[in-house]
Formats: sequence, structure tokens, C-alpha cells
Amino acid sequence: GENVEQHPSTLSVQEGDSAVIKCTYSDSASNYFPWYKQELGKRPQLIIDIRSNVGEKKDQRIAVTLNKTAKHFSLHITETQPEDSAVYFCAARAGNQFYFGTGTSLTVIP
Amino acid sequence: GAGVSQSPSNKVTEKGKDVELRCDPISGHTALYWYRQSLGQGLEFLIYFQGNSAPDKSGLPSDRFSAERTGGSVSTLTIQRTQQEDSAVYLCASSLGASSHEQYFGPGTRLTVT
Repeated sequence: GENVEQHPSTLSVQEGDSAVIKCTYSDSASNYFPWYKQELGKRPQLIIDIRSNVGEKKDQRIAVTLNKTAKHFSLHITETQPEDSAVYFCAARAGNQFYFGTGTSLTVIP
Repeated sequence: GAGVSQSPSNKVTEKGKDVELRCDPISGHTALYWYRQSLGQGLEFLIYFQGNSAPDKSGLPSDRFSAERTGGSVSTLTIQRTQQEDSAVYLCASSLGASSHEQYFGPGTRLTVT
């Protein structure tokens, strides 16, 4: 089955700096890669996603890149703000199932 | 419209008791997923329902876990003879259909087994 690895597990950045979170996957059949933000005690919320026929997608301060050959995808957050502090999860969809990374706890220091 | 809802929000039970967790998906969503999230961990897939098809139960950790989806809408996850390691947040998500990718999550049920 699919195996998704996510790094780093924790990340601290100064407000205004960029943050990058990286994930790798193993199943070349995976075709959809969402990123979720989960604030403490709340449900995961989709923040951006990318399909396997696209290499990069951007939405304001958030961007995701996908390298199908290397089987890795990354989340980029620019001009970070304190409200970006949360746990971020990557996922890969293979068949019916979504496989999640173990999460990155991002802290933005004011 | 209303999002995915789950009940109860919190459940404390004694080891050995059975529990039922409920999920109400978004109206019209035919796909429904159950996940388990242990403290500080990612989401562990448990079971997937799509329309009237047989569910994908490949993620259920033991035969103490079972789930039903009645009328293609509401789903119930049942854990029999609960163990302390079952303590976790149980999340439900729904999506429009098998070919639709975006999942919408419920608020979760925090289960504590004492």
C-alpha cells in the first residue's frame, strides 16, 4: 500500500519568513495530494490540493509543488503570520483511500 | 449548508464497554470515511463507504471495530469491548462521490477509555 512520509515534524519560523514542509509517497498510482491545516482541538481543514497532472499550484501565500518522478510534494507558506501556527498534514490518494503524513507542527514566532 | 457533524463530541467509557460513534455526512455526499487520530499522530484510515457498494474495511484494526451506514447517509462506528489503546479522536469525513477528491471533516469524537 501507499506510504506517506512528512518532514519536519516541528518547524519554528519568525513572522514574515517562509515555511516549507515536504512529503514523499511510494505509490506511483497516487493521483491527488491535499494539504490540511489542523488547529488545536479543531477539525482538519483543506488549504490547498494538487492533482497528478499539475506541477505547481498557488493560492495567495500558499503554494504546493509536485514532482511525480521523485514522488515528492511540498507545501510553501510565504510571509508567515502568527495565525498560520497549526499542525499541517499532507496526504496522498491511492484508489479509495487517503494516506496521511504524521503532521508538522508549525509555530510562527511574532 | 450544514457541514459534517459527529456525536458525541466527547465520550468517556470504562474498559470492556461497547461504544457507538455517529457521523452525519453532508447531504448528497455519497462517500464517507472514518479515521482515527491518536495524540500527536496523523490520521489512520479505518473504513470507507461509497454509495451502495461494499465498504472498504481494510483499515479496521481488529474485529472489535465495525461500522454501518444506513440509507446511504448516517454512519455508526462501533467499538466492542473497548481497550485503553482505543483512546483517540475519531474523525469522520465525507466527499461528493468516488471521483470527487475533496473531503470535508467532522469535528471528531474524543474517546477516552479508562
